[in-house]
Order: sequence, then C-alpha cells, then structure tokens
Amino acid sequence: EIVLTQSPGTLSLSPGERATLSCRASQSVSSSYLAWYQQKPGQAPRLLIYGASSRATGIPDRFSGSGSGTDFTLTISRLEPEDFAVYYCQQYGSSPPGTFGQGTKVEIK
Amino acid sequence: QITLKESGPTLVKPTQTLTLTCTFSGFSLSTSGVGVGWIRQPPGKALEWLALIYWDDDKRYSPSLKSRLTITKDTSKNQVVLTMTNMDPVDTATYYCARLGDYGDYASYWGQGTLVTVSS
Repeated sequence: EIVLTQSPGTLSLSPGERATLSCRASQSVSSSYLAWYQQKPGQAPRLLIYGASSRATGIPDRFSGSGSGTDFTLTISRLEPEDFAVYYCQQYGSSPPGTFGQGTKVEIK
Repeated sequence: QITLKESGPTLVKPTQTLTLTCTFSGFSLSTSGVGVGWIRQPPGKALEWLALIYWDDDKRYSPSLKSRLTITKDTSKNQVVLTMTNMDPVDTATYYCARLGDYGDYASYWGQGTLVTVSS
C-alpha cells in the first residue's frame, strides 16, 4: 500500500500570500494519478485537482498542482479568505481504492 | 446536476452490522466507466477509502477492512449499498459516498456525509 505523507501539518499564512503544500509518496505514483481535495469544517471534501495537475470543474486558477513520481505539490498563488481549510492528497494509481494523506491545515496567521 | 445522499442509522451498537445506502441522481451506474465509492472520516481525523463499485459490478475493498465490507448496487434505483459487519467504537465516523472521476478513481462528486456513532 502506498503511504502518503503531507507536510507541513499546519501552514499559518495571511490572505494574499502564497501557499505551498507537499505530498510525498512511499512509492512512485503511476501515471501521476494524484488528486487534491479541500475540506472546510462541517463540509464534505471538494475535488480541486486530479491527474496531479488538472483542475476540476469550477476550481479557480489560483490553485495549481504539480509533481510526479513520489513528490507532488499543491500551490495556492494568492490566498483568499475562503481558502483557509484542510487539504488532502490522494493517490489512485495502485490497488484501488486509493489512499489519502493525513492532511495539511491552512490557517490564518 | 449530480447529487449523492447517504442514509442509514446514526447509532449502532458494538458487534452489529451497519448498512448504509447512497442514493444518487444525475448519472447512471450502468454507463460504461462510471463508479461509486465509500469513504469515511473519524472525528478530527483523515479520510479513508472503504470500497468502490464500478458499472460492470467490479468491486474493490480496502485491504484492512475487506473481511467486514460488502458493496452492492441497484442500478434501477440509482443506489449503492455498503454493509460493514462487527462494528466497533473505532468505526465511529462520518461516512461519505462519492462518484468516481471520469479519468480515474478519485472522488469527483461527494454526498454530504452521515455521522455514524458506535456505542452501547
């Protein structure tokens, strides 16, 4: 089973700043089958990115994904107030169902 | 418009079997390539995939929970049912169903989730 490790655990930033979230896999993720989700308190997660870098429908272009192999990054170019949330990565390249990371919380500094 | 909604008991006793139903609209589970899955999240913790079922009735389970899970579909009713046997307090979680993506097994659309508490 592929284990995903997200870092940092918490990211304290101000609105307007750039956020860089990391997701590292214990083995190579085939075909860049990696997704990112955003979850706000009391809500279901929302798909942001699939295929490591493809934005889901309706996702603003300030969200971008990159990476391949074992190292992936979610970047939020300029944080808006509504972007403060918990973010999860998920790999779906091997042995479905896939696995999630433990999450990164982006909080207001 | 794609929607999914979970239903089932909010409280189950230890050792009992949990049955959850996902009722969806806006797509058909008889369409080639379509899949639906279940994901859970204990309070304050991370997400965990449980099971997937595809349009062709192929089924996949979390290796750690495989012996306790069964996923089925009723295409005529637009429903997917998950059963989990031998419930334990550690299974207390919000359970979500989700439609899989068009390009892989990620969750593209989510239900609102249902909180299941396991307690005597």
